Amino acid sequence: DAGVIQSPRHEVTEMGQEVTLRCKPISGHNSLFWYRQTMMRGLELLIYFNNNVPIDDSGMPEDRFSAKMPNASFSTLKIQPSEPRDSAVYFCASSRRTSGISTDTQYFGPGTRLTVL
Amino acid sequence: AQTVTQSQPEMSVQEAETVTLSCTYDTSESDYYLFWYKQPPSRQMILVIRQEAYKQQNATENRFSVNFQKAAKSFSLKISDSQLGDAAMYFCAYRSAGTGRRALTFGSGTRLQVQP
Repeated sequence: DAGVIQSPRHEVTEMGQEVTLRCKPISGHNSLFWYRQTMMRGLELLIYFNNNVPIDDSGMPEDRFSAKMPNASFSTLKIQPSEPRDSAVYFCASSRRTSGISTDTQYFGPGTRLTVL
Repeated sequence: AQTVTQSQPEMSVQEAETVTLSCTYDTSESDYYLFWYKQPPSRQMILVIRQEAYKQQNATENRFSVNFQKAAKSFSLKISDSQLGDAAMYFCAYRSAGTGRRALTFGSGTRLQVQP
């Protein structure tokens, strides 16, 4: 089975440009998570969706960041305008949530390394 | 808020030897899950092992096992018969069992080197 797919794997852009990161979760998974990894802050949650609905976006740094999940098989994370401090590795993860106490495990994509010059 | 602490930034082990990576966490919850993820140079995050807090038995996956001490809030990872391919960053992670709080909280990681 295909795992979580992210594109692009690498992105280099200039400050002020719009950046769009894409994620395709594992088929059948109904929860999707966006994490960011930096040297200074480590791995931190940006936002997560359940059944395509954003549940917790408390980790989204500011209004420059937005995320959407128009259907169960696709999500985007957009940064507009981008800044050098946004340089990081962005991970998408998905899981299958069942009813009751959830024991789901999150499976990660390969990440997108973003560099903002 | 929950916190996860990995106090060993780097560890080294000889091939075929055993190594233990430490992790402690802080929570007021009684139901939760703990994970170890491996991140090789490819940066892919790979699940190594998972432990449910309500289970007293320590989880085991082949050469990987954990020592889960709930009262001490400790969750260490033991790697037996270390192999060169085990060299990576290892992250300990916590997740609440509550359905409304499902994000992972990660520790800062331990870089494991395996010497041939």
